[in-house]
Amino acid sequence: DAGITQSPRYKITETGRQVTLMCHQTWSHSYMFWYRQDLGHGLRLIYYSAAADITDKGEVPDGYVVSRSKTENFPLTLESATRSQTSVYFCASSGYGYTFGSGTRLTVV
Amino acid sequence: TQLLEQSPQFLSIQEGENLTVYCNSSSVFSSLQWYRQEPGEGPVLLVTVVTGGEVKKLKRLTFQFGDARKDSSLHITAAQPGDTGLYLCAGVISGTYKYIFGTGTRLKVLA
Repeated sequence: DAGITQSPRYKITETGRQVTLMCHQTWSHSYMFWYRQDLGHGLRLIYYSAAADITDKGEVPDGYVVSRSKTENFPLTLESATRSQTSVYFCASSGYGYTFGSGTRLTVV
Repeated sequence: TQLLEQSPQFLSIQEGENLTVYCNSSSVFSSLQWYRQEPGEGPVLLVTVVTGGEVKKLKRLTFQFGDARKDSSLHITAAQPGDTGLYLCAGVISGTYKYIFGTGTRLKVLA
């Protein structure tokens, strides 16, 4: 099915562990984005990518790493998870407006 | 710094009532979009407005972009429980590639 898919939907991890959130889109959109959504802060941009092998920092990049070796995939890695990274993470791609995935709810304990 | 202010933050109304949600900024936007987000899902695009003064209608939803392209409103006529959700405005600041989201309006429509 066409669209943007995120995995996993839910993840619980321990402080200090590395965790990777996956994002896959089927449209070949050039731009892809990672946001986190927290109460009181709304959606905040973590990283974005204009094309394969081109990535740039957003508003809150610290503690996160991204890569984009293929146009359709844009994984987000938390190098050493902290409790403050507990959040809902959304991946999006940009065609006519943004299309969002269903999100990954990450809990760091 | 939050550049897109939405009001109200929360709204609880009865089915059949009308409501308006506002999205305001001191910045000029080249385009502005409205999204609706339901629990456990990502935001879904409702509409894009690009011209100052533009009005778009989507069934019972009416979207307006301010003449100066600094503000927008969403009006819902005869709200239904299915309209319940988080409404987000988002826009591209004119002259930049910066795309920002408002903090959202959480709407609950009671049957």
